[in-house]
Amino acid sequence: EVQLVESGGGLVQPGRSLRLSCAASGFTFDDYAMHWVRQAPGKGLEWVSGISWNSGSIGYADSVKGRFTISRDNAKNSLYLQMNSLRAEDTALYYCAKGGSSTNFDYWGQGTLVTVSS
Amino acid sequence: QSALTQPRSVSGSPGQSVTISCTGTSSDVGGYNYVSWYQQHPGKAPKLMIYDVSKRPSGVPDRFSGSKSGNTASLTISGLQAEDEADYYCCSYAGSYTLGFGGGTKLTVL
Repeated sequence: EVQLVESGGGLVQPGRSLRLSCAASGFTFDDYAMHWVRQAPGKGLEWVSGISWNSGSIGYADSVKGRFTISRDNAKNSLYLQMNSLRAEDTALYYCAKGGSSTNFDYWGQGTLVTVSS
Repeated sequence: QSALTQPRSVSGSPGQSVTISCTGTSSDVGGYNYVSWYQQHPGKAPKLMIYDVSKRPSGVPDRFSGSKSGNTASLTISGLQAEDEADYYCCSYAGSYTLGFGGGTKLTVL
């Protein structure tokens, strides 16, 4: 059974940093791309960042480019999101999602909540 | 990166069919056959319903179908059931290893 468990969320002041983690199990982690998708309270889904199986391809939404860094450790079956210079508008539930057979998200975690506020 | 355009809400009675549109540009929806659709019930994580425009993952009822014409993709749900009431999001590849979602459509089953 595929499981994705996010951690690292919390309350942080504007301008500070936070690192999210996603522990994956139930599939061959290094065979698949992985993504972060966020959802602000009461709002829609927003793709944040994605990374290919071997970290050779990485993409970011314009809203986070230059502030967020995605990475993965295939030996630890883990995905990460380093978030710097956080803003109030980054407040959201952050989902870890497994890339499917092509460019889609076939499994999702339950999310970790990030709140940026002074 | 602009959000794809979806209607804010659609509705239908049990047994009827509804179609949700997702309009982008030639740089996303129109340029790639990589449109996917997600169902999200309140308080739950999204669920993949359609990928690669019209393919259905295992376990998704064949009442759900997808299509694309030009820069607009569509999700059709036939034989509406009460449990189909949810938010639906389209997503498209937009090149350079980036993706974008639509704003979401709330489906109400009357």
